[in-house]
Amino acid sequence: GNSVTQMEGPVTLSEEAFLTINCTYTATGYPSLFWYVQYPGEGLQLLLKATKADDKGSNKGFEATYRKETTSFHLEKGSVQVSDSAVYFCALSDQNNDMRFGAGTRLTVKP
Amino acid sequence: SAVISQKPSRDICQRGTSLTIQCQVDSQVTMMFWYRQQPGQSLTLIATANQGSEATYESGFVIDKFPISRPNLTFSTLTVSNMSPEDSSIYLCSVPDRVPGYTFGSGTRLTVV
Repeated sequence: GNSVTQMEGPVTLSEEAFLTINCTYTATGYPSLFWYVQYPGEGLQLLLKATKADDKGSNKGFEATYRKETTSFHLEKGSVQVSDSAVYFCALSDQNNDMRFGAGTRLTVKP
Repeated sequence: SAVISQKPSRDICQRGTSLTIQCQVDSQVTMMFWYRQQPGQSLTLIATANQGSEATYESGFVIDKFPISRPNLTFSTLTVSNMSPEDSSIYLCSVPDRVPGYTFGSGTRLTVV
């Protein structure tokens, strides 16, 4: 079945550092790919998404590119802020919109 | 995307009691999903609630423990019954978006003491 494998955390960075959180997937067909963010004490919010190969999703300085050849959707940000401290979930959905989540990666950004 | 109002946002409950969590959606949706997020873990799907039929439960979850109601296309409840400390988790409802993806409620943080 479909699945998502996500870089284990926790990840601790200093403010303005470069962030990469790796995500790879296994799926039949052509899934849509997502990154969700969960700030402390809150539910999940969609951060960005890509629905086909080579698409780049971007939002709030975060980017991820749908790479079919490497079945990856790595999340990147050039300069993180303290306010980016959260848990990040990679996810995919198939043509039936059946969603699968990665294990989540906790990011802590220190001033 | 839909907007979901979920409540309560948090609660502390005594073991052996039950808590009912409500989700109200601002539009009509056929399917609603209930997830559990145990401390430090990812999301686990509890069940899918379709209006007009019984909920479909995932392996490891049973109706007696997590009864679900879906009286109309905009509302659903999940009850956590006969609670134990192991039920301490965040519970989330979600609905599919018109485009790929889900919208989530803000979550209910449950602590059982």
